[in-house]
Formats: sequence, C-alpha cells, structure tokens
Amino acid sequence: DAGITQSPRHKVTETGTPVTLRCHQTENHRYMYWYRQDPGHGLRLIHYSYGVKDTDKGEVSDGYSVSRSKTEDFLLTLESATSSQTSVYFCAISESAYTGNTIYFGEGSWLTVV
Amino acid sequence: DAKTTQPPSMDCAEGRAANLPCNHSTISGNEYVYWYRQIHSQGPQYIIHGLKNNETNEMASLIITEDRKSSTLILPHATLRDTAVYYCFTMDSNYQLIWGAGTKLIIKP
Repeated sequence: DAGITQSPRHKVTETGTPVTLRCHQTENHRYMYWYRQDPGHGLRLIHYSYGVKDTDKGEVSDGYSVSRSKTEDFLLTLESATSSQTSVYFCAISESAYTGNTIYFGEGSWLTVV
Repeated sequence: DAKTTQPPSMDCAEGRAANLPCNHSTISGNEYVYWYRQIHSQGPQYIIHGLKNNETNEMASLIITEDRKSSTLILPHATLRDTAVYYCFTMDSNYQLIWGAGTKLIIKP
C-alpha cells in the first residue's frame, strides 16, 4: 500500500468554523489531489498540486483552499465550513501527470458540519 | 458530458469468475480506464488500468473492447473478501475522474 496518511480521520465541526485536513505521503510523488465523495456523485476533484507551491482548482473548488509547502504534505482548508461540505474527503497521489499513472488513495477523512 | 455507467449490483458464487462490465462511450483517445474497489468505509483500492490492450495482474484481468467504449473487469476466482463496490473511471486531461456509480459485487458462498 502507498504511504498516505490523512488526518484527522473523523471530525465534527460547527458551521462557520475553519477546518484543515492534512494529507501526508512518504512516496515522494509529485502530484497530490483532494477529492470529495458524496452519494450519487462518485469522487469529485477539489484541488490538485503538481509540485511544491504549485496548485490548481478542480471542478468543486468553491469554499476550499489548499497549500503545499513540502513535497510530502498537502493541506485542504475550509475557511468557513458549511453543511454542504459534509462529506468524505480523500487525498490521492500519483507519480506524474501521465494519465496512465496509478493513482493511490488515502483512507479518507469523514467531516460532518453541524 | 462524459459518462461512465455500471450495473448497480451483481452476485457471483465463490470460486467462480466475476465479470464486471463498464460503459465509457465518451472516452477519448488518450484516456486510460481505471478500476478500483471500495470495501466498506475504506479508501479506493487500485485494481488495474489499461488504455486499449487487455491487461492482467495478480488481482484481475481487464478486457477493453476494440472501440474502447466499454470494458470488463474479471476476477478469476472470486472469494468472499472480494465483496465490495467496484468502480471504473477514466481521467480527463484536467485530472477530473469520470467516475461511475459503481457495482456492488456480492460473493456468495
């Protein structure tokens, strides 16, 4: 299994509070991704990173920001959490942008916004 | 819009081959087909991927039709531990996953 650690694994927070999810990898892969999984939608891309300090938006980026100050860490921040952001969040990594690369997923972070 | 479709559920007897179909009729020429599975609340687990040739690894085989509009994942000797939701998807050039709704595979003893 790829060395991907997500933290926290479970969190309950109140509407309007900031939340940061962390993804840590030990594979030295260049690309890192944040996806959310909701019933009926599969996995949807929030943001991705193609190197230290290099990030870009995915299809559902509104309300989220990311940072990558080190190769191994990719942080996802909800500046002011809303109930619509209740979801399961998965971090993923891949070696390059080549579409044939294997994508490895973390174990997920369950976020509930009340 | 790009779309991937899978049957919602399938049963298979333990020890038999499980054949899971996926339609990806909008796939473009350089997009790979990926298969993953999710067991209960765990993260998606990689199974196999391919472009246009059939692929085989220690877990499964992947058969892709010549027109690339559909594929079949084959688990050659299904065990109870293969009970999971199986997803096929493609990835477009913007790293978006064109993710199917998944097939819940139930392996019966």
